[in-house]
Amino acid sequence: GAVVSQHPSRVICKSGTSVKIECRSLDFQATTMFWYRQFPKQSLMLMATSNEGSKATYEQGVEKDKFLINHASLTLSTLTVTSAHPEDSSFYICSARDITSGGMAGELFFGEGSRLTVL
Amino acid sequence: KQEVTQIPAALSVPEGENLVLNCSFTDSAIYNLQWFRQDPGKGLTSLLLIQSSQREQTSGRLNASLDKSSGRSTLYIAASQPGDSATYLCAVRTLFSGGYNKLIFGAGTRLAVHP
Repeated sequence: GAVVSQHPSRVICKSGTSVKIECRSLDFQATTMFWYRQFPKQSLMLMATSNEGSKATYEQGVEKDKFLINHASLTLSTLTVTSAHPEDSSFYICSARDITSGGMAGELFFGEGSRLTVL
Repeated sequence: KQEVTQIPAALSVPEGENLVLNCSFTDSAIYNLQWFRQDPGKGLTSLLLIQSSQREQTSGRLNASLDKSSGRSTLYIAASQPGDSATYLCAVRTLFSGGYNKLIFGAGTRLAVHP
């Protein structure tokens, strides 16, 4: 299957700092990528949909000024957690759809996730 | 509002057993349904994707069925092995008005297969 790479896999930062997480599709192009958040023993919750060349679409309740998303190319989306606080500590996972394979009904491929710990 | 429920929440079985994991969803207006595996602290691995027009998909020891009208899917794991231990997530791609769609996940079934 297609490969989605996330970096870093783990990051620890001090409260008030900003953290950037990268999501790359390695062997396919993705006009749309998705960012999810997962708390311990809970399921994934969609945060936002990242669209190449345009603004991201945020889910209700997600602060767009806090979670900045940039989708600069067909293979890279970044999530920046600005002024991070301990309650932002979570597992962040991105996914991408190979638009050439099934279009809107295509399979989603997920990254390995990034665990953020804010002290 | 689409809600996805997975039963059981946790399952512990001896090696070799055949297993059935259940997933139900409240809104039948779906594009497709996807089963994933998640190992602790890791991302998701796609196992099977069933389009809304399909009834089942098979991959190796895994078989997934879909009954869209009743809002149910099952994941069948044959001859379970310790390496199958993981959390299994069901997700449905749900259609909303205006062509908007998104993947909605269940809470998962934590499976432990012991030797």
